Amino acid sequence: DAKTTQPPSMDCAEGRAANLPCNHSTISGNEYVYWYRQIHSQGPQYIIHGLKNNETNEMASLIITEDRKSSTLILPHATLRDTAVYYCNRGGSNYKLTFGKGTLLTVNP
Amino acid sequence: NAGVMQNPRHLVRRRGQEARLRCSPMKGHSHVYWYRQLPEEGLKFMVYLQKENIIDESGMPKERFSAEFPKEGPSILRIQQVVRGDSAAYFCASSPPQGTNTEAFFGQGTRLTVV
Repeated sequence: DAKTTQPPSMDCAEGRAANLPCNHSTISGNEYVYWYRQIHSQGPQYIIHGLKNNETNEMASLIITEDRKSSTLILPHATLRDTAVYYCNRGGSNYKLTFGKGTLLTVNP
Repeated sequence: NAGVMQNPRHLVRRRGQEARLRCSPMKGHSHVYWYRQLPEEGLKFMVYLQKENIIDESGMPKERFSAEFPKEGPSILRIQQVVRGDSAAYFCASSPPQGTNTEAFFGQGTRLTVV
């Protein structure tokens, strides 16, 4: 039970922005939102995390709604190598995360 | 700075044998976590360890599974008397000692097949 809801799959054209939504309507005040991705058969890779404010790093941007009930991960210029399963998680720490089914993002040429 | 190292990458065991999975965290990391990914399912947390201490083992099956992270050497996940249902990918992650609200780095996993 990942306690988050994500669409099972999305497509994106190469070079365009990929916007991956996540609902976490029951998130509590001290829980962070974490995003990881898993490229086929590899170990998960950390992308970004945030609590209240929007966050940006070299990989992606994280937009968290004001009520914190949902968030969007943005890959500004998707490449073919961004094809992966993207997991949105919530938790008070980065370790006791239960990864659900995630969103399979397919970047098309 | 090498990443999280797991070995072996692939492990085949007959039912009833023991499986030992090893994980060397990144240099400077003192927190280790183990996850299991069953076929066609997401990762599930198993156990969180620091050096010589089990911090949280709430995700570990009650029997046959154990984990340790000794003062010296890698963390070990041990599965005794393996059964077919133990076939899965086992991932280890580590993070620095600053706390658990930091990113965790994952290894490439050990794929256990029980025949």
